[in-house]
Amino acid sequence: DAKTTQPTSMDCAEGRAANLPCNHSTISGNEYVYWYRQIHSQGPQYIIHGLKNNETNEMASLIITEDRKSSTLILPHATLRDTAVYYCIVKGGGTSYGKLTFGQGTILTVHP
Amino acid sequence: DAGITQSPRHKVTETGTPVTLRCHQTENHRYMYWYRQDPGHGLRLIHYSYGVKDTDKGEVSDGYSVSRSKTEDFLLTLESATSSQTSVYFCAISEGTGTGAHEQYFGPGTRLTVT
Repeated sequence: DAKTTQPTSMDCAEGRAANLPCNHSTISGNEYVYWYRQIHSQGPQYIIHGLKNNETNEMASLIITEDRKSSTLILPHATLRDTAVYYCIVKGGGTSYGKLTFGQGTILTVHP
Repeated sequence: DAGITQSPRHKVTETGTPVTLRCHQTENHRYMYWYRQDPGHGLRLIHYSYGVKDTDKGEVSDGYSVSRSKTEDFLLTLESATSSQTSVYFCAISEGTGTGAHEQYFGPGTRLTVT
């Protein structure tokens, strides 16, 4: 699974968009980009994933660059409840089951 | 939210005693996982299951055993608990069909303290 690099921490004002970047320059063709988050003392929460195209769901949008070497998770209208550690994970699809490798992630703090 | 429950949610036990943690799912997902989370180590995979009675080791399996006799239940057993097994334990599930992405959904966690 490709290595990912994320900023250690970010701040965002409530109601504004939070844009969380992730670099994954060694990603290979069959590897997906996943985003999870972990709010203090809770289990990790799946947010979104993508392969090549941009994706959107009720929680967030995922923008993947054309060369797939980086991506951005967008929370369109951040709330205080979005304060959490956000993890970008790259993992192969198909039969590549097993562990998810959670790095250090980005601590996102949403302030009033 | 995915239907995953873990029991107990909190447990304090003494060194040398056996402990069993239970993960229960109502999603009928094929794959189930046990992770532990410790400060400075992130989440680490202990064991996982790819079907009833089919299990395999993760990266930190020493001192742990698992069993899965039904699709919905995945048990993690510490045969003789040690202080180094004090941790927060998370169960996860994934559907695991086809060749596409297989996102995992996590339970609320069990906080285990071994004294």
